[in-house]
Amino acid sequence: AQSVTQLDSHVSVSEGTPVLLRCNYSSSYSPSLFWYVQHPNKGLQLLLKYTSAATLVKGINGFEAEFKKSETSFHLTKPSAHMSDAAEYFCVVSRSGGSYIPTFGRGTSLIVHP
Amino acid sequence: DSGVTQTPKHLITATGQRVTLRCSPRSGDLSVYWYQQSLDQGLQFLIQYYNGEERAKGNILERFSAQQFPDLHSELNLSSLELGDSALYFCASSVGPGLGTGELFFGEGSRLTVL
Repeated sequence: AQSVTQLDSHVSVSEGTPVLLRCNYSSSYSPSLFWYVQHPNKGLQLLLKYTSAATLVKGINGFEAEFKKSETSFHLTKPSAHMSDAAEYFCVVSRSGGSYIPTFGRGTSLIVHP
Repeated sequence: DSGVTQTPKHLITATGQRVTLRCSPRSGDLSVYWYQQSLDQGLQFLIQYYNGEERAKGNILERFSAQQFPDLHSELNLSSLELGDSALYFCASSVGPGLGTGELFFGEGSRLTVL
């Protein structure tokens, strides 16, 4: 069984300040973890993924996430927010090495103020 | 551009009607997934097909059905529509039978409004 919890439904930051979007997961197996972004009226796009290699994963647009097994977390960060980062972000857990349906979190809406 | 094509982009219909949503996966991808996104339920997995065969089923209502054709495009059929079926329906594709360590590629969705 697997599940994912995004701890904040909304996060509001000012442009140029750091971004932190929190994600905790639960998995009975070795997980694969993903972050997807959805801009308004668009489909979801992969930001980054963890698949049991390096625990610090770098993605597109300056985002990165760190896999912490002891804390069962996979938080998404960015040093400096841009207005274009305003979007919905989804944390996703799947099972590495297998044919399993991924489980999506409820999403976190990132609001960026000028 | 993800390479996944969904049609129509917008659809308005009445309760009790039936609609068909179409999805063409990315070239080379054999799996197609259907998701429903609504404000109250979030992103819900409906059903997955792999190379023409149903692979996994999620929270799909009996009024809904899907299939994947030999050319790998897929259709999601929604019948006896209710107001609560109004949502954004996404199709996604992947290379293999499951996500594993791969990636899901999403279309831009079909927005269904039931009046």
